[in-house]
Amino acid sequence: DVKVTQSSRYLVKRTGEKVFLECVQDMDHENMFWYRQDPGLGLRLIYFSYDVKMKEKGDIPEGYSVSREKKERFSLILESASTNQTSMYLCASSFTTSGYNEQFFGPGTRLTVL
Amino acid sequence: RKEVEQDPGPFNVPEGATVAFNCTYSNSASQSFFWYRQDCRKEPKLLMSVYSSGNEDGRFTAQLNRASQYISLLIRDSKLSDSATYLCVVNRDSGNTPLVFGKGTRLSVIA
Repeated sequence: DVKVTQSSRYLVKRTGEKVFLECVQDMDHENMFWYRQDPGLGLRLIYFSYDVKMKEKGDIPEGYSVSREKKERFSLILESASTNQTSMYLCASSFTTSGYNEQFFGPGTRLTVL
Repeated sequence: RKEVEQDPGPFNVPEGATVAFNCTYSNSASQSFFWYRQDCRKEPKLLMSVYSSGNEDGRFTAQLNRASQYISLLIRDSKLSDSATYLCVVNRDSGNTPLVFGKGTRLSVIA
């Protein structure tokens, strides 16, 4: 079974803090993704990566950065947390295929910024 | 036109009912289509892929109409455990491109 794990289920941080969200997958997937999910807005793509040390901006990259130093690990960084970054953050991974690129999700991190 | 559009519901149906969800997508070049299921406060999980010829998995049937850029999911003999949000998912373009998730359709199956 594919397993995607995230470092924390719940996190509370203060405005202005630097926040690191870690994601690890154990299936040797090339692709990794970070989303946030908010009521009424659905899943929105923040950043993604197709390979080690590669990163691509998604739809809402402002206020975030990412790091992928190893194939299995993809980190999301909030440089200076703000209250509008309170959200559920979901990491996902997938193989690179020309066909059906199913994504597998981690359990999510519910981040509250006070 | 939004990339993936779904009726948000909620659909409230009795046990045993048949319910259908529809979804439209905007990019005719999209090649990968899925239905994901998301339970309350949980991560999305793949329910089924959607193939051009249509496909069935037990009580679930998915269909794709490329000409109309339309995907459907049919659930027969609804169970209480089918209560969840169903996400229509399409890749952004041809090839290995990120997926776009619809906002989901909420289903409540009532005893």
